Amino acid sequence: EIVLTQSPATLSLSPGERATLSCGASQNINSKYLAWYQQKPGLAPRLLIYDISSRATGVPDRFSGSGSGTDFTLTINRLEPEDFAVYYCQRYGTSPPYTFGQGTKVEIK
Amino acid sequence: EVELVESGGGLVQPGGSLRLSCVDSGFNFNSHWMNWVRQTPGRGLEWVATIKQDGNEKYYVDSAKGRFTISRDNAKSSLYLQMNNLRAEDTAVYYCTRGGIIVPGGAVDWGQGTLVTVSS
Repeated sequence: EIVLTQSPATLSLSPGERATLSCGASQNINSKYLAWYQQKPGLAPRLLIYDISSRATGVPDRFSGSGSGTDFTLTINRLEPEDFAVYYCQRYGTSPPYTFGQGTKVEIK
Repeated sequence: EVELVESGGGLVQPGGSLRLSCVDSGFNFNSHWMNWVRQTPGRGLEWVATIKQDGNEKYYVDSAKGRFTISRDNAKSSLYLQMNNLRAEDTAVYYCTRGGIIVPGGAVDWGQGTLVTVSS
């Protein structure tokens, strides 16, 4: 089973700053099938990025995804107040289980 | 707009059963893989099960194998999760998620979730 480890657990930043979130896989995922989700308190997660770097419908272009193999990054440029939330990565598409990372909380500094 | 509405959650004793349902009011339900994902405060998000468009491929997390059954009724745009022999560790909010068309496991759209509590 491929384990996804996200870092840091918490990121304290101010609006307008750049957030860099990491997702590391315990093995090479050997595919493009890596997604990022955003979750705000009391709400269901929302798809932000799929296929490593494609933005989902309606996602602002300040969100970008990159990476390959075992190392993946979600970058949020110029944090807006509504971006403070928890972010999860997930692998999908090839052999299950389709594991999630444990999440990174982006909080206001 | 795609709307997924789950139902069927509740309080159940250990060893009991529960059937979750999800109705998809969007278009082309039968064109998409569908999934169940659960969330607990302690364990975060956990993928539970996935089913192919025609129902002929199903995948489960190890802890659900032999106890949970995912199914769908394309005529009713509905997804189900039959959960048997429930354990305390199955306590979670269960989300119905609409996946992609080509590959399994991703979650494009999410329902609001239904809470399952396993306790005596």
